[in-house]
Amino acid sequence: QVQLQESGPGLVRPSQTLSLTCTVSGGSIKSNDYFWSWIRQPAGRGLEWIGRIYTYTTESTYYNPSLKSRVTVSVDTSKNQFSLNLSSVTAADTAVYYCVRDWPRLGGRAFDIWGQGTMVTVAS
Amino acid sequence: QSVLTQPPSVSGAPGQRVTISCTGSRSNIGASYDVHWYQQLPGTAPKLLIFGNNNRPSGVPDRFSGSKSGTSASLAITGLQAEDEADYYCQSYDTSLSTSVFGGGTRLTVL
Repeated sequence: QVQLQESGPGLVRPSQTLSLTCTVSGGSIKSNDYFWSWIRQPAGRGLEWIGRIYTYTTESTYYNPSLKSRVTVSVDTSKNQFSLNLSSVTAADTAVYYCVRDWPRLGGRAFDIWGQGTMVTVAS
Repeated sequence: QSVLTQPPSVSGAPGQRVTISCTGSRSNIGASYDVHWYQQLPGTAPKLLIFGNNNRPSGVPDRFSGSKSGTSASLAITGLQAEDEADYYCQSYDTSLSTSVFGGGTRLTVL
């Protein structure tokens, strides 16, 4: 079965770029059935969708408008990985970051497989 | 302030039935977009619990059910068990924001 695992630094300095990688195992990231998303959760708070990528034909990316100016999601199909870059971070970006399989159902997409999450703290 | 509104907490005794509401608007639930529900056990990642308003993924007990009407949706849990103690989130799509949106989450306490 498909599993996702996040990796990356747990501490990022303010104004720097947060970079995370998600490794997909048990299936190919180059799928025509799914997208691949990043979602974050600040401590004690709710979930926020960050962005997604589609990798089957051409690479297509979609971002939360509130974060669009700072976010880049990319893919390395040779490694079965996708990545998140979030630039100019502040303390407000401190959160658990999840990589997620994004299921584009008719009627509205759902997030059906989640990584375990990785905590990223923005502090000097 | 979440786009979808959930009660912060609900509680119930073992064996009882509880419901969790999720209230949206005409730009999301009311625009005929599906509602999905996630269960987040303490210290773990969210897990898809209900998809497409009222469908359970394989392995989810039939004690969990969902419904949708107008601009709102509900998650019902019958035969409450201690292991159901978790945070529950609803999710849909918002046409005005052009993004997937979540509720603020509801903490279920089993008394």
